Amino acid sequence: DGGITQSPKYLFRKEGQNVTLSCEQNLNHDAMYWYRQDPGQGLRLIYYSQIVNDFQKGDIAEGYSVSREKKESFPLTVTSAQKNPTAFYLCASSMRDPWGDKNIQYFGAGTRLSVL
Amino acid sequence: EDQVTQSPEALRLQEGESSSLNCSYTVSGLRGLFWYRQDPGKGPEFLFTLYSAGEEKEKERLKATLTKKESFLHITAPKPEDSATYLCAVLNSGGSNYKLTFGKGTLLTVNP
Repeated sequence: DGGITQSPKYLFRKEGQNVTLSCEQNLNHDAMYWYRQDPGQGLRLIYYSQIVNDFQKGDIAEGYSVSREKKESFPLTVTSAQKNPTAFYLCASSMRDPWGDKNIQYFGAGTRLSVL
Repeated sequence: EDQVTQSPEALRLQEGESSSLNCSYTVSGLRGLFWYRQDPGKGPEFLFTLYSAGEEKEKERLKATLTKKESFLHITAPKPEDSATYLCAVLNSGGSNYKLTFGKGTLLTVNP
């Protein structure tokens, strides 16, 4: 089945530690995204990538880093510089055509990150 | 700056009691408006995309409509399994091709 796989489902971070969240898709989508979801707030864009080896900052990129070495994979690292990392992290992907149904973003099941 | 406001924040219905959720938006140019459903602890599930005023789409008990300023998600004779948070998002035609702006969602609870 085609889809987006996020792992782990739950993650705990200690003070000063960097952690990496995994996102893999087998939908053959060019574009991938990372969002953060906090209670009572809308999804906020952290980073997005339209093609391999290229990515752009979203609205809340500070304290996060990404890489896009393969079309299928877009890992997110939450660095120690992110002082409030506790949140639900969502990965999404879409095709690159900006018109029509091809710009629909499909989401993974999410990773819940907590601070110890 | 694009803005999306959803109302009400929470809605409680009895099974079979039809109602509507509202999504008001402000964008310089609308490329598309998206509705998603999100269950607790899960990722959003795509429901509909609307592109122009007057457009309507239906899926089972759900019907989405679009005007130049807002979209409605109509729920007809809801069942308890329709309970979820419903998210609305817009894609701006003038900005990045790929950046969605989301509302905060409406939490729908349908009681049996």
